[in-house]
Amino acid sequence: GENVEQHPSTLSVQEGDSAVIKCTYSDSASNYFPWYKQELGKRPQLIIDIRSNVGEKKDQRIAVTLNKTAKHFSLHITETQPEDSAVYFCAADAYSGNTPLVFGKGTRLSVIA
Amino acid sequence: NAGVTQTPKFRVLKTGQSMTLLCAQDMNHEYMYWYRQDPGMGLRLIHYSVGEGTTAKGEVPDGYNVSRLKKQNFLLGLESAAPSQTSVYFCASSLPVGELFFGEGSRLTVL
Repeated sequence: GENVEQHPSTLSVQEGDSAVIKCTYSDSASNYFPWYKQELGKRPQLIIDIRSNVGEKKDQRIAVTLNKTAKHFSLHITETQPEDSAVYFCAADAYSGNTPLVFGKGTRLSVIA
Repeated sequence: NAGVTQTPKFRVLKTGQSMTLLCAQDMNHEYMYWYRQDPGMGLRLIHYSVGEGTTAKGEVPDGYNVSRLKKQNFLLGLESAAPSQTSVYFCASSLPVGELFFGEGSRLTVL
């Protein structure tokens, strides 16, 4: 089955700097890669996703890149703000319709003002 | 439109007691899931359902049972609670592909 590794587990950045979180996956059949953000005490919420026919996707200050050959994908947050502080989870799905998402263990991002 | 609702939100059990967590969604989603979240372990899938009357095991199913008698509801049962089941439980629902919508979570403590 699918296995998703996420690094780093914790990340501290100064406000205004960029943050990068990386994930690798094992199942070459996977072709849907979402990122979820979980603020303290709240539920996880989708912030961006990418499908395997796309190499990069941007939404304002966040972007995700995908390298299917190397089986890794990354989340990039630019011009970080204190409200970006949260736990971020990557996930992978075989997109077959019957295979649930497999999540990475999460990255705790702290943005220091 | 409430989305995904979990009850109860907090519960304290003694070892050996049983309980049921209820998840209800009003988005007409086919798929529903139960995850548990523990510090440093991320979100681990317990059981899931791809439609009314169907259930399947996830990564950590032992000690739990589930039922999906109605499309909008997904129940998670603990027959004999153990301290290792102390966790935050999240229910989620989705279409066959795409975004998972999570409930607010249920914090369970087993003494």
